[in-house]
Amino acid sequence: DAGVIQSPRHEVTEMGQEVTLRCKPISGHNSLFWYRQTMMRGLELLIYFNNNVPIDDSGMPEDRFSAKMPNASFSTLKIQPSEPRDSAVYFCASSLRTGQTYEQYFGPGTRLTVT
Amino acid sequence: EDQVTQSPEALRLQEGESSSLNCSYTVSGLRGLFWYRQDPGKGPEFLFTLYSAGEEKEKERLKATLTKKESFLHITAPKPEDSATYLCAVPTIPNNDMRFGAGTRLTVKP
Repeated sequence: DAGVIQSPRHEVTEMGQEVTLRCKPISGHNSLFWYRQTMMRGLELLIYFNNNVPIDDSGMPEDRFSAKMPNASFSTLKIQPSEPRDSAVYFCASSLRTGQTYEQYFGPGTRLTVT
Repeated sequence: EDQVTQSPEALRLQEGESSSLNCSYTVSGLRGLFWYRQDPGKGPEFLFTLYSAGEEKEKERLKATLTKKESFLHITAPKPEDSATYLCAVPTIPNNDMRFGAGTRLTVKP
């Protein structure tokens, strides 16, 4: 089992550039989550999908952030234009949602640095 | 608003010195409390789920317990490899997304 796969692992970009983060969830999982982690704010949920449909994007900081899940095995998180305050580690997680609760399995994260 | 508070923020133990981490929550209709371990440079790794007050789960030197207002992660005779940040999380209502605490950074010295 490959687990959740994220790419790239590290991204350094200049302010104003577009950044695309990618995630492949665990096969068979039906929910996918994008988180951001910083020292100041901890782990914050940005958006999550259930059966490829966005359910809650209230955590997306602003219109510069967008996420898509075109199929059950792939999702992207895009930041356009990027700003230095977007520097963080971005995690993707997936789960098999059954009933009212679920366990999440996290990828290794993408460390984003915006200069 | 649903809240998850973890204490202490950081804990330093000597190898073999047992202790407990705390996770308190304010959420109506608890639908599970989750414990994760996060090593530096890695994503959180699932440890336990607890669903009802009085429930206990164990894994090696770790034991998680749950009351109506809080959960404890007990670490018995810890080893240096137990050093990590331990996160707890609860699903929120109505969206059923996961609210994480800030974590406890545990360091176990040999």
